[in-house]
Amino acid sequence: AQKITQTQPGMFVQEKEAVTLDCTYDTSDPSYGLFWYKQPSSGEMIFLIYQGSYDQQNATEGRYSLNFQKARKSANLVISASQLGDSAMYFCAMREGRDSNYQLIWGAGTKLIIKP
Amino acid sequence: DGGITQSPKYLFRKEGQNVTLSCEQNLNHDAMYWYRQDPGQGLRLIYYSQIVNDFQKGDIAEGYSVSREKKESFPLTVTSAQKNPTAFYLCASSIASSGLHYGYTFGSGTRLTVV
Repeated sequence: AQKITQTQPGMFVQEKEAVTLDCTYDTSDPSYGLFWYKQPSSGEMIFLIYQGSYDQQNATEGRYSLNFQKARKSANLVISASQLGDSAMYFCAMREGRDSNYQLIWGAGTKLIIKP
Repeated sequence: DGGITQSPKYLFRKEGQNVTLSCEQNLNHDAMYWYRQDPGQGLRLIYYSQIVNDFQKGDIAEGYSVSREKKESFPLTVTSAQKNPTAFYLCASSIASSGLHYGYTFGSGTRLTVV
């Protein structure tokens, strides 16, 4: 079974609109962390935001926020006021506390295209 | 500044040839990882290493080999046994700790093409 599911292979959004990228996860470990990374066309992976399973508040970093709904096992990335430079692949990832290999489990990604 | 350096940025391989992709980090990270990414796809784990002189196979290790002789270095060799090596290869490193907020730091990648 997929541990990280990103159901939107691609999205088109008008510039300046807000964007929500979906991510659902599956784990029985009560202790876990959730990450979002951005991959522009150049290929490098850029860390955007982190949410811990015990964090009481949703994480925010500038225009990025994470809509963390623990009961639904959902960790959607919200980008406010989208810009042309936000066009990229976006990956959701999870790290489980019981994993002694400290690995991140990756989703398949969502390709976001911002239209001018 | 600390970071991960991958070289070369572009690499061309002839049929039947072995090639080695370099990955060096100066972040003092214990764990290092190699991923393969095909166009429009996600990341697939090839190999990973938690400590020097030790490494484990990931999901798609066939046709690849690695070494970890130094903490800073984790080179990947794409052997002639890898029948479809054309892809984008990403190296990453991480602190090997139970702290859940430790994500990965990535290199800028190597694009390998078979000619």
